[in-house]
Amino acid sequence: AQSVTQLGSHVSVSEGALVLLRCNYSSSVPPYLFWYVQYPNQGLQLLLKYTTGATLVKGINGFEAEFKKSETSFHLTKPSAHMSDAAEYFCAVSATAGNKLTFGGGTRVLVKP
Amino acid sequence: KAGVTQTPRYLIKTRGQQVTLSCSPISGHRSVSWYQQTPGQGLQFLFEYFSETQRNKGNFPGRFSGRQFSNSRSEMNVSTLELGDSALYLCASSFDVRGYGYTFGSGTRLTVV
Repeated sequence: AQSVTQLGSHVSVSEGALVLLRCNYSSSVPPYLFWYVQYPNQGLQLLLKYTTGATLVKGINGFEAEFKKSETSFHLTKPSAHMSDAAEYFCAVSATAGNKLTFGGGTRVLVKP
Repeated sequence: KAGVTQTPRYLIKTRGQQVTLSCSPISGHRSVSWYQQTPGQGLQFLFEYFSETQRNKGNFPGRFSGRQFSNSRSEMNVSTLELGDSALYLCASSFDVRGYGYTFGSGTRLTVV
C-alpha cells in the first residue's frame, strides 16, 4: 500500500522567492511519483513526473523535483515564485504495476506581491 | 488535440436520487479513471477502466459504479445519493496502464441537497 504526506497545507511566499513544497511517500514497490497543480474550479494539471532514470526531474512552468529514495521524498521547487503560481499542489504516487494514484492532502500556495 | 471532457460541469441532485456522470477521454487513450475530491477526504480513487474492463476499484460502497464503452468513453453512476456524495468528480485518461501520468478533465461538481 502507498501513502503520501505533504508537509504544510498552506504555504505563503513572496513573489520572486523560492517555492518549496514537501512530499514524502511510502510505497512497497518502486514508485512512480507525480506533482499536479489545481487552479480554482479546474481539474488537475500534471507538472512533472518521475518514473525511472534521472532523479532530478524538470517540469512545466519552471518547477522541478528531486527523487530521493533514501529519504522517501519528492520535494517540488521553483526558484522564483510568480503570482500565477498561486494554486493548490498535489503530490501523488502510483505503483509500477498499475494506474491508481494515491494523493497527498495538497498544499495551497499563496503568492504575496 | 481535445482534452478530457466531462459532462455536465455542475449538477444538483436530491438525496435518494441517482446520477450519471460522463467522461470522454483524449482520443487514443484507453485507460479512464475516476476520482472523488472533497474538502474532508481529499482526492480518492474510485475506479479505473481499460478496454472496457474494470482493473482497479477504490474503497467506495457499491452505490458507486462505472463502465467503459468500446470507444473508451466512460460513465460513472451513483445511486441513492447521500449528502456526503457532494464532491468534485474528476475523470482522467491515459494511453496505457503503465502509470505514466494521467490527463485530468475539469470535473463535475455534484451537489446533493
